[in-house]
Amino acid sequence: SAVISQKPSRDICQRGTSLTIQCQVDSQVTMMFWYRQQPGQSLTLIATANQGSEATYESGFVIDKFPISRPNLTFSTLTVSNMSPEDSSIYLCSVVRTGGTQYFGPGTRLTVL
Amino acid sequence: ELKVEQNPLFLSMQEGKNYTIYCNYSTTSDRLYWYRQDPGKSLESLFVLLSNGAVKQEGRLMASLDTKARLSTLHITAAVHDLSATYFCAVDISGGSNYKLTFGKGTLLTVNP
Repeated sequence: SAVISQKPSRDICQRGTSLTIQCQVDSQVTMMFWYRQQPGQSLTLIATANQGSEATYESGFVIDKFPISRPNLTFSTLTVSNMSPEDSSIYLCSVVRTGGTQYFGPGTRLTVL
Repeated sequence: ELKVEQNPLFLSMQEGKNYTIYCNYSTTSDRLYWYRQDPGKSLESLFVLLSNGAVKQEGRLMASLDTKARLSTLHITAAVHDLSATYFCAVDISGGSNYKLTFGKGTLLTVNP
């Protein structure tokens, strides 16, 4: 398995502000991802966090709104920029381990007022 | 575009009964995952199915994969209250080492005494 921590676990933010979410893994991983789970919905992949290069974004997500950093193989950040109430979601990071199992962090519950 | 359809979306069971959750997907897949999510919690990995005919079992849960039919099933045997949760299937069609998951909408399972 994988031990994944996220900070903060939850936050309430004002419209127009930005929040940076951190994801820390207990050992080096090649593949790290960021997902969003809107209230009562399933998960949607935002981007692949690439170590040493720009993140790869999925359709509907852009770097200006969701900048991602991946400075090393155990850490990544996702920033939600210029927030609106529609950004209220749970944001989860995930990593892939040997054998292909993908493990998810505990999530960051974001509420935008 | 990949579509992942789960049914049923809501399932209310009596303890001791058996039932099956179905996951259909629209494009050839390399990997299929089943996850469990408890309210307010992150996702717990249940199974990773990697090949046609794969069958995995853990306790009262058994998952199978038919890649020709593009169908996976999660069978619940003699349900108990502790199995109450939301179950997601997720499909990886990205191939190779990309591991990008597309999730179904989830099945909310309630097991009643």
